[in-house]
Amino acid sequence: GEDVEQSLFLSVREGDSSVINCTYTDSSSTYLYWYKQEPGAGLQLLTYIFSNMDMKQDQRLTVLLNKKDKHLSLRIADTQTGDSAIYFCAENYGNNRLAFGKGNQVVVIP
Amino acid sequence: GAGVSQSPSNKVTEKGKDVELRCDPISGHTALYWYRQSLGQGLEFLIYFQGNSAPDKSGLPSDRFSAERTGGSVSTLTIQRTQQEDSAVYLCASSNPQETQYFGPGTRLLVL
Repeated sequence: GEDVEQSLFLSVREGDSSVINCTYTDSSSTYLYWYKQEPGAGLQLLTYIFSNMDMKQDQRLTVLLNKKDKHLSLRIADTQTGDSAIYFCAENYGNNRLAFGKGNQVVVIP
Repeated sequence: GAGVSQSPSNKVTEKGKDVELRCDPISGHTALYWYRQSLGQGLEFLIYFQGNSAPDKSGLPSDRFSAERTGGSVSTLTIQRTQQEDSAVYLCASSNPQETQYFGPGTRLLVL
């Protein structure tokens, strides 16, 4: 089945850049997503990338996609304390179902 | 416009009782998904509705779980004879077909 893997924890100083990585298995996924979950809250769509793209930039967010290696990354520039959250990557498969990674907790140190 | 809403936001129940969780999707979205987020399993797909088609129930963990979607809008997820391992956050999402899913805030279920 679909398997999405992420590292678990990242601490970063405010103002620095943070990079979160993810690997996925389904090469037929048409979209790959990054969702953000703040404590006690639901999942907020951050950004997504179409599978035929290599990179997408959206303000402070840069998504890089390496289809050959099935590797997805999210770079957050000028990390702010409000960026502290759990970040999930996800791939779509089947009936546009989403398979999620285990999440990566980002802690921003002031 | 309004996002996906879910109720109740929190539910505490006793083992063996039945619970119903409700999801109101974004107006006009024809696709509706239920997921479960638990400590041990992460985020798992449960069930998918698309228009009037038969739902994709392939993610339901047991026959104690069922869901329906009335009138192509509101959905109810029912868990019968709840067990402690059912404790989790149940998340609903809606979308247009094959498009980005938008999630509700979730229902936090605790089975004692």
